[in-house]
Amino acid sequence: QKEVEQDPGPLSVPEGAIVSLNCTYSNSAFQYFMWYRQYSRKGPELLMYTYSSGNKEDGRFTAQVDKSSKYISLFIRDSQPSDSATYLCAIISGTNAGKSTFGDGTTLTVKP
Amino acid sequence: EPEVTQTPSHQVTQMGQEVILRCVPISNHLYFYWYRQILGQKVEFLVSFYNNEISEKSEIFDDQFSVERPDGSNFTLKIRSTKLEDSAMYFCASRDSPAKNIQYFGAGTRLSVL
Repeated sequence: QKEVEQDPGPLSVPEGAIVSLNCTYSNSAFQYFMWYRQYSRKGPELLMYTYSSGNKEDGRFTAQVDKSSKYISLFIRDSQPSDSATYLCAIISGTNAGKSTFGDGTTLTVKP
Repeated sequence: EPEVTQTPSHQVTQMGQEVILRCVPISNHLYFYWYRQILGQKVEFLVSFYNNEISEKSEIFDDQFSVERPDGSNFTLKIRSTKLEDSAMYFCASRDSPAKNIQYFGAGTRLSVL
């Protein structure tokens, strides 16, 4: 079983749609949850960061964590063509080394 | 805004050659990381580095790999004898403290081994 599984996609939506991106994880030691956006051949760009169950909102983006189900989501409201990218969930355990374990990524295309 | 910078952006090398990938982490950060991403695959952890020593390394990080912080600003990844399968994007990341577990990534170095 993979430590982090991400809905594979690809995902194609019309402009203005609400997008839901999802990951599950297996290790209860994971404590920190990140969503990164990655454009082709570029580095991951941090979008959202949270460490507790519940919702965290930042503009059009909402990160949701359910630790009891080991499930995390990123919602994008009013999606724009500029949101087209690959979205990566990344999870960190509570150890000091703090390595990130990434999902495979979901490629999103928002069509005008 | 402070950022992690990596050089070169693209490195082409012959199989068997040594390469050094360079990173300048964000200046007040204390923890440093290397990750790699083979084309079309996920980002994979290679190694973490803190207080001038390796904190953790993955199975990928074998004897061919080494890391160094030669001065107060640079953080390098050396591959001693490159193989074709080392071709990938290599990302450096840094974070500032144990309490704030946010890693900031550089734009990456694309390594092509011929």
